[in-house]
Amino acid sequence: AQSVAQPEDQVNVAEGNPLTVKCTYSVSGNPYLFWYVQYPNRGLQFLLKYITGDNLVKGSYGFEAEFNKSQTSFHLKKPSALVSDSALYFCAVRDMNRDDKIIFGKGTRLHILP
Amino acid sequence: ETGVTQTPRHLVMGMTNKKSLKCEQHLGHNAMYWYKQSAKKPLELMFVYNFKEQTENNSVPSRFSPECPNSSHLFLHLHTLQPEDSALYLCASSFRQGPKTLSYEQYFGPGTRLTVT
Repeated sequence: AQSVAQPEDQVNVAEGNPLTVKCTYSVSGNPYLFWYVQYPNRGLQFLLKYITGDNLVKGSYGFEAEFNKSQTSFHLKKPSALVSDSALYFCAVRDMNRDDKIIFGKGTRLHILP
Repeated sequence: ETGVTQTPRHLVMGMTNKKSLKCEQHLGHNAMYWYKQSAKKPLELMFVYNFKEQTENNSVPSRFSPECPNSSHLFLHLHTLQPEDSALYLCASSFRQGPKTLSYEQYFGPGTRLTVT
């Protein structure tokens, strides 16, 4: 069965430092992977996706994610964190057996410290 | 947030009330979804509509009843809810090129914060 894991409940990073939010996945077949962000009292916003091609995917707000097939990981990264990046981040993988079902991780809360 | 809108944004209802949540997408999408987001639990998919046809009911209790009159509108009708149904209800939409093809990434509305008293 498809699954996605976010091993950290919370990540704290100082403003201006690089940030990484971790995600690992388990799928049968080729993965379709996504990152979403949720700000307080808001819905989820799509950040980026990996379907095929270049392992480094660039997305909104300066975020990027690196697909690593051998480690089955899809970590979210940003070179220099902003206080406004503080939010809840969700990694997700498409269930290829149920093509309209996206399986979400439990989320990682990112705190950027000024 | 003009892409996917949801009303109301907040709703408090008693266990014997009947209410409806509304979702509208302005993105030209043809698939729509209801999710439930509870504190400290993963996002739960409730219903999926593709081309106005319901294709997924993820073991949701019958006190939740979806309706999709057209590809732009989605409703969730609520009746005799329980306090544990209190949560953020999120609507999402996506585009797929045909009934048998994969859909693309989903776009979410701001959610309705539901409190059942």
